[in-house]
Amino acid sequence: KNQVEQSPQSLIILEGKNCTLQCNYTVSPFSNLRWYKQDTGRGPVSLTIMTFSENTKSNGRYTATLDADTKQSSLHITASQLSDSASYICVPQTGANNLFFGTGTRLTVIP
Amino acid sequence: EAGVVQSPRYKIIEKKQPVAFWCNPISGHNTLYWYRQNLGQGPELLIRYENEEAVDDSQLPKDRFSAERLKGVDSTLKIQPAELGDSAVYLCASSSSTVATQYFGPGTRLLVL
Repeated sequence: KNQVEQSPQSLIILEGKNCTLQCNYTVSPFSNLRWYKQDTGRGPVSLTIMTFSENTKSNGRYTATLDADTKQSSLHITASQLSDSASYICVPQTGANNLFFGTGTRLTVIP
Repeated sequence: EAGVVQSPRYKIIEKKQPVAFWCNPISGHNTLYWYRQNLGQGPELLIRYENEEAVDDSQLPKDRFSAERLKGVDSTLKIQPAELGDSAVYLCASSSSTVATQYFGPGTRLLVL
C-alpha cells in the first residue's frame, strides 16, 4: 500500500534556529520525491525535487536528503525565519506519475 | 508570468445547492489537476487532464462531481448537489507534463452549511 508518513505533525522553533522534518514513504515503483511548502490560505509551492539517484538537494536555506534504500527523506531548514512558518509536505511520485501527498508538518517560527 | 488563477477564492452555500469552481492554468501547461484538501491533510487528486482529455478521474465522486476542460485550457469543477462533507479547499494545479513540477493556484475554500 502506498503511504507517506511525516513527523513531527507540528513543530515550534525560535527564529534563527535550525530544524529537520522527516518523511517515510512506501511508494512503488519510486520515481522521485518533492518537498512542497504551503503557506496558510495558499497553494503548495515546490521547494526541491530528487530522483532515486540523488542523495541531497539544496534550495537556499532548505536542504532535502533522500535515502531510496530505506525510503526516507528529510528537509533541513537552516537559520529559520518567521516567513518559514508554513506546512511542509513530502510528495513521492511513482513511475506511473502518481503523486502521494503526506499530511505535512506544521512549522511555526516564533521571534 | 501569471500563475494558476482560481475563482472564486471563497464560497459559502447551503447543502443540496450546486457550486462551480474555475481554473485558468499557466499558459502552455498541457496537464491540469484538480485536488481537494481537507483541513490538516495533504491534497487528494480528484482528476487529471492531458489537454482536454481526462486521463485519471478514478478518485472523482462521479455521482455528484463533474469536470470539464473543453478547449484544453480553462477548466471547471462542479458539485451538484453539495453535501456537508464537501467543505474543503479545492486546488487547481498545472504542469508542462505529467513528470514536471506542478504549480498550484491559491485554491477555492468551500463551506457547505
